[in-house]
Amino acid sequence: GQQVMQIPQYQHVQEGEDFTTYCNSSTTLSNIQWYKQRPGGHPVFLIQLVKSGEVKKQKRLTFQFGEAKKNSSLHITATQTTDVGTYFCAGTTGWGKLQFGAGTQVVVTP
Amino acid sequence: KAGVTQTPRYLIKTRGQQVTLSCSPISGHRSVSWYQQTPGQGLQFLFEYFSETQRNKGNFPGRFSGRQFSNSRSEMNVSTLELGDSALYLCASRTNTNTAADTQYFGPGTRLTVL
Repeated sequence: GQQVMQIPQYQHVQEGEDFTTYCNSSTTLSNIQWYKQRPGGHPVFLIQLVKSGEVKKQKRLTFQFGEAKKNSSLHITATQTTDVGTYFCAGTTGWGKLQFGAGTQVVVTP
Repeated sequence: KAGVTQTPRYLIKTRGQQVTLSCSPISGHRSVSWYQQTPGQGLQFLFEYFSETQRNKGNFPGRFSGRQFSNSRSEMNVSTLELGDSALYLCASRTNTNTAADTQYFGPGTRLTVL
């Protein structure tokens, strides 16, 4: 069945550094969404990518959808303590069901 | 608009009991999905309801069931609780006409502890 793999599972980052988390699917995705969950909170929608090769930016966050629509990445520049949390990607190949990755837990060291 | 609400927020049960969790979606949202979140397994999809019909189902045993009412509110039920059912249960709603491309809005979750 479809699987969405996300790496790394954990990411320790020094404040001010950049990092990237990756999402890979075994099958072609029709779209991919990214969510952020703060400690003790619930997932909050960040962005959706639909087109092959699409790149979207939100301030220090850059999201990319691969040309084959099987992978995606989230790159954060100049990490801040407010970036702490778990970032999930979620992809779907069909109608209705999103498959979430296991998430990347980000810890920021001041 | 009010967000997705879930009740109760916290619940403690013992093994063998059953539990019912409730979710009220954002007004106008017809799709409600349920997820189980545990530290070891991440976000696991339980099922999705749309217009009172279960549209998608994850790989959970039959002890997990759900339903949706005509006002789009949804409930999920877990019977014969096991220790491993301890988790945060999240509900998410979206507008969803006939596409999977809608944003999901998550509720705060119900934290279930099974003793």
